[in-house]
Amino acid sequence: EVQLVGSGGGLVQPGGSLRLSCAASGFTFSNSDMHWVRQATGKRLEWVSAIGTAGDTYYSGSVKGRFTISRENSKNSLFLQMNSLRAGDTALYYCARVFGGTGAFDIWGQGTMVTVSS
Amino acid sequence: EIVMTQSPATLSVSPGERATLSCRASQSVGSNLAWYQQKPGQAPRLLIYGASTRATGIPARFSGSGSGTEFTLTISSLQSEDFALYYCQHYNNWPLWTFGQGTKVEIK
Repeated sequence: EVQLVGSGGGLVQPGGSLRLSCAASGFTFSNSDMHWVRQATGKRLEWVSAIGTAGDTYYSGSVKGRFTISRENSKNSLFLQMNSLRAGDTALYYCARVFGGTGAFDIWGQGTMVTVSS
Repeated sequence: EIVMTQSPATLSVSPGERATLSCRASQSVGSNLAWYQQKPGQAPRLLIYGASTRATGIPARFSGSGSGTEFTLTISSLQSEDFALYYCQHYNNWPLWTFGQGTKVEIK
């Protein structure tokens, strides 16, 4: 079965850190560009970060310098290290795969919730 | 940043009727546009990519059209399972992609 399973979310204080993980199965992970997309309650989806098959990384302006995306192809796993967390980072974080040569996300994880609060 | 604006915010439609959702980009995105369906508590589901190509397994009642800055998602005959939130997303400048704010399709 093709799927992504996210984990690692939780409650963290402002300024704290959290590491999200995403386990992939059912497709060739190493050949896939992978992304993190987040959604605050009642808000639109927001692209956060991406990592290409060659390990090239990209970040939205709101997280650049604080978040680090990485992948471990031997374990079919995607990660997001989140440092200096702020209240505005509170959201459901989805890992997602980009479909072929498009920019459309065809596989999504179930989401892992990050809450930044004192 | 390209801003995606969807209208209307809420669309009230009776089962069996046609629903037309709009998405406008603040600058041209060519045909680099996708549509998603999201139900409460679920991840988004890809419906359309390339503005008009249905994703695998998507029923033919879903169709997309448009290019440049104006796009439309049409659901030809609404089924009970189609009442949900719908988002558009551009992917014109990798990977600084943005989503619309969503259109909720509700039962009239």
